[in-house]
Amino acid sequence: QLQLQESGPGLVKPSETLSLTCTVSGGSISGSSYYWGWIRQPPGKGLEWIGSIYYSGSTYYNPSLKSRVTISVDTSKNQFSLKLSSVTAADTAVYYCARLGGPKYSYIIYWGQGTLVTVSS
Amino acid sequence: QSALTQPASVSGSPGQSITISCTGTSSDVGGYNYVSWYQQHPGKAPKLIIFDVSKRPSGVSDRFSGSRSGNTASLTISGLQAEDETNYYCSSYTSSSPVVFGGGTKLTVL
Repeated sequence: QLQLQESGPGLVKPSETLSLTCTVSGGSISGSSYYWGWIRQPPGKGLEWIGSIYYSGSTYYNPSLKSRVTISVDTSKNQFSLKLSSVTAADTAVYYCARLGGPKYSYIIYWGQGTLVTVSS
Repeated sequence: QSALTQPASVSGSPGQSITISCTGTSSDVGGYNYVSWYQQHPGKAPKLIIFDVSKRPSGVSDRFSGSRSGNTASLTISGLQAEDETNYYCSSYTSSSPVVFGGGTKLTVL
């Protein structure tokens, strides 16, 4: 059974860079016909797709976040990572990592449990 | 990238059927057969219940069904049960990105 687990600091200061890693177990990131992505959810609000990456390094980003987001993959560790720069309180959210499938890699069966990241000084 | 439009809340009585709408444009919901629906209980990760407009993943109850007319997709839940009371989100592939979500709908079972 595929499992995804987010890890990283739960508290980030304003203007700094948020960094999270997703470790995949029970399956390989490499050579599979899936994208791997990040989705976030501010407390009490809806879901927002941040971006997705293929094992080869090909990426798609949400246009509204593109200038601040970098998603990378480390196939040797079966991990992928998120960096979000210049954070503000508006970036406070539960961050989920996920596997995206389907012909357009647009739906998600496997999700991590989510990790709350708070932006505060 | 604009979020898809969902009603903030819907309600129904046990045993009834309800429908949640998800309105987009011809560049997303109306243009591709890649609409998905998720159920999310508080404190939990979302669960995929419908993909490709009307397909159900293995293990999802057939009380959940999806459809689309023009630029509006719909999720219908029949035979409402207390356990269905939670939040639902639609999602679609778009011409500019693989994923855009709706704002979410809270379902109350009266």
